[in-house]
Amino acid sequence: GAVVSQHPSRVICKSGTSVKIECRSLDFQATTMFWYRQFPKQSLMLMATSNEGSKATYEQGVEKDKFLINHASLTLSTLTVTSAHPEDSSFYICSARAGQNYGYTFGSGTRLTVV
Amino acid sequence: AQSVTQPDIHITVSEGASLELRCNYSYGATPYLFWYVQSPGQGLQLLLKYFSGDTLVQGIKGFEAEFKRSQSSFNLRKPSVHWSDAAEYFCAVATGAGGGNKLTFGTGTQLKVEL
Repeated sequence: GAVVSQHPSRVICKSGTSVKIECRSLDFQATTMFWYRQFPKQSLMLMATSNEGSKATYEQGVEKDKFLINHASLTLSTLTVTSAHPEDSSFYICSARAGQNYGYTFGSGTRLTVV
Repeated sequence: AQSVTQPDIHITVSEGASLELRCNYSYGATPYLFWYVQSPGQGLQLLLKYFSGDTLVQGIKGFEAEFKRSQSSFNLRKPSVHWSDAAEYFCAVATGAGGGNKLTFGTGTQLKVEL
């Protein structure tokens, strides 16, 4: 089945630094990937839709200059949290769609802690 | 715009008992519906999906869901719950051709299983 690999699973960074999270589709090509943020005991909030070879589409209220998304190939999308602050601490999850008859496959998530 | 409602925030059942998790959606056209399960600190795993055809959908781990257009519902059921089913369950709807647009999630239902 379709597998999405997300790394790292956990990261701790200092306030003011940047962190990159990778999302890879291992056995399929994903022209579109999605990035979500999940607060404790809450649902997933879509941050942006990442399209291969073009600019990401951000949801309302998401700072595109803070959350940089790059989708350079059909199997890799990255989310960079720039100048991280403690309020950026959260669980970030990516997903990709393998094809029309498949559901969305999710990565295992990244727990970001900014200290 | 589409929306998903999961009326039950928490549900507790005894091991071996039956389970039904409720999900109601709001969308003007044919929805693409999904149920996902999330264990703590993990990504989401697809349990089942409905795109078209038979309104009773079988999924993994013994789960099934029934699409009822007249009630705008897609409730998840399992005849006999196992302790390992304790997790967070999310219902989601996708729109667009082949469900290719972004997913909209419900707020989730936390399932606790008593031994």
